[in-house]
Amino acid sequence: GIQVEQSPPDLILQEGANSTLRCNFSDSVNNLQWFHQNPWGQLINLFYIPSGTKQNGRLSATTVATERYSLLYISSSQTTDSGVYFCAVDLGGGGADGLTFGKGTHLIIQP
Amino acid sequence: SQTIHQWPATLVQPVGSPLSLECTVEGTSNPNLYWYRQAAGRGLQLLFYSIGIDQISSEVPQNLSASRPQDRQFILSSKKLLLSDSGFYLCAWSVPTPFRGHWNNEQFFGPGTRLTVL
Repeated sequence: GIQVEQSPPDLILQEGANSTLRCNFSDSVNNLQWFHQNPWGQLINLFYIPSGTKQNGRLSATTVATERYSLLYISSSQTTDSGVYFCAVDLGGGGADGLTFGKGTHLIIQP
Repeated sequence: SQTIHQWPATLVQPVGSPLSLECTVEGTSNPNLYWYRQAAGRGLQLLFYSIGIDQISSEVPQNLSASRPQDRQFILSSKKLLLSDSGFYLCAWSVPTPFRGHWNNEQFFGPGTRLTVL
C-alpha cells in the first residue's frame, strides 16, 4: 500500500516562530488532507489540497503532486497551534477509499 | 450544515465483554462512512468503510465488525473485547463529488470514542 511519511516527528518552537511541516507519499494520490488533532483528540480539517497552494489565515499549504510531497506552513505560531498535525491521502478510484495517515508531527509552541 | 455524532465519548469495558459504538451523520444523504482507530496516541488506521446501507468493506482482519442499518448510521461492534482493542475510535463521513477529472472525497471526522479495555 501507499506509504506516507511526515517530518519532523517532533518540533518545539517559541511563540511567534514560523514552521514548515513536510509530508512525502510514495504513489500518485487522488486526495490529500491536512488535519490538526487538538488535545481532546478531535481532528480539525485544515486543508483539502491534492495539488496547488491554499492559504487560511496564518496557515498555508502547498502540494506538488508530480514530486509526491506536501508542505504545511504555520506563521507567527501561537500556543493554541500546539498539537499533532497529520497528513492523509487516498488513491481515489471512484470515491470509495479511506485515508492513509502519516504518523504525524507533534508540535509544541512555548510561550 | 453537516454534523457527525459519536457515542459514547468514553467507555471502560472488561475483557470479553461486548461492544457497540454508534456514529450518526446529519445534514447529508448517501454519505460514505468510515471507522478508524488510533492507538498509542499516534497514527490512524482505517478499519471499515461503507458506501451504502448494508455495504461494508473491511480493511484489517480483527476482532471487530461494522454494520450500517440506516443511511446515516454506522455501528462498530465486537462480541468479545480484547485488551488490544483499546484505543480512540473515530468515525468519518464524505460525499464523493467528481471535480475536474478526479473525485473530491474530503473526509470529516466525529469527536471520537475513547475505549479502554481492562
